[in-house]
Amino acid sequence: EIVLTQSPATLSLSPGERATLSCRASQSVSSYLAWYQQKPGQAPRLLIFDASNRATGIPARFSGSGSGTDFTLTISSLEPEDFAVYYCQQRSNWPFTFGQGTRLEIK
Amino acid sequence: EVQLVESGGGLVQPGGSLRLSCAASGFTVSSKYMSWVRQAPGKGLEWVSVIYSGGSTYYADSVKGRFTISRDNSKNTLYLQMNSLRDEDTAVYYCARWMIRYFDLWGRGTLVTVSS
Repeated sequence: EIVLTQSPATLSLSPGERATLSCRASQSVSSYLAWYQQKPGQAPRLLIFDASNRATGIPARFSGSGSGTDFTLTISSLEPEDFAVYYCQQRSNWPFTFGQGTRLEIK
Repeated sequence: EVQLVESGGGLVQPGGSLRLSCAASGFTVSSKYMSWVRQAPGKGLEWVSVIYSGGSTYYADSVKGRFTISRDNSKNTLYLQMNSLRDEDTAVYYCARWMIRYFDLWGRGTLVTVSS
């Protein structure tokens, strides 16, 4: 099973700042990585698929990069609605696995 | 409107059984890959099972032999039969549509609590 390790566990930033979230895979997943956002009491929402492709309706301030084992989700300028938990997920190998999440909180 | 609505969660004793349902609207369940993903209280996401459009099914090791995924095409509904439930199965269970490269549609989830 591929283990995804996200860092940091919690990121405290202010609106307008740049956020950089990391996801590291225990073995190569090529570009088969997605990012999801989850707010309290809500289901996850797809942000990025195949490492760098924004999903429909996702603002341009969200971008993804990386391949192999190291991936990054960047939010260029934080809006108040961006404070949430973010998960990465790989589809390279069964079983699909998710990272443990990064909580982005308001500083 | 394209949506998924789960139901069937509740409180069950260890060793008991429960069947979750996921009613789909706006698309045909049998033509897509459909999954169950769960989230234990305060924890991250864990993929549980998937059913392919062709009917093949796959399970996480943690539930293999205890859970069964199925669908009723006439009702456009996905199911998860959960047997021999354990404390560690306590979670919100989401059904989600798997579009080969990503989960693009999720339900709101249904809470399963396993406790004596």
